[in-house]
Amino acid sequence: QLQLQESGPGLVKPSETLSLTCTVSGGSISRPNYYWGWIRQPPGKGLEWIGSMYHSGSTYYSPSLKSRVTMSVDTSKSQFSLKLSSVTAADTAVYYCARTYSGFEDFGYWGQGTLVTVSS
Amino acid sequence: QSVLTQPPSASGTPGQRVTISCSGSSYNVVSNTVNWYQQLPGTAPKLLIYNDNQRPSGVPDRFSGSKSGTSASLAISGLQSEDEADYYCAAWDDSLNGAVFGGGTQLTVL
Repeated sequence: QLQLQESGPGLVKPSETLSLTCTVSGGSISRPNYYWGWIRQPPGKGLEWIGSMYHSGSTYYSPSLKSRVTMSVDTSKSQFSLKLSSVTAADTAVYYCARTYSGFEDFGYWGQGTLVTVSS
Repeated sequence: QSVLTQPPSASGTPGQRVTISCSGSSYNVVSNTVNWYQQLPGTAPKLLIYNDNQRPSGVPDRFSGSKSGTSASLAISGLQSEDEADYYCAAWDDSLNGAVFGGGTQLTVL
């Protein structure tokens, strides 16, 4: 059973960089044809796609966040990571990591999510 | 304002059939596949429908997806109390070159 678990600070100061890691277990992060992604959800609001990546390192970012987002993968640790720079209160959200089920953006496996609050 | 437009709320009684719409454009719904997610309170979203009308293993056949032109729909038949949740449609948008979600529909089972 594939499992994903987000980890990282729950509180980040404005203008700093948010850093999260997703640890994958129960399956290989290098398995072909699947993509790994980050999705966020501000409190009481809807879902927003942040970006996706392939185990080879190819990345695809949301146009609205592209200038601030970096995603990377460490296959030796079965982890992939998200960095979001210059955060503001608007970046306060539950951040989910996920893997696709069949295609490029059909996320069929999700972590439980982690709340990141941006506040001084 | 979401690129994909969903009604903010929907409701039905147990046993009823309910449909939730997702209105998009030629850049997303028409040219790419639509996925649907169910999010129960306090939990991560769950993939309900992918590739417009395919159900992942384990999803009951009470849930079905369809698409016509610039709109997609999620139908839930034999409505149950445990179906009370938020539902989101999603698709790739060729204009934005990114994945987009609808604003979500809160389903209430009366």
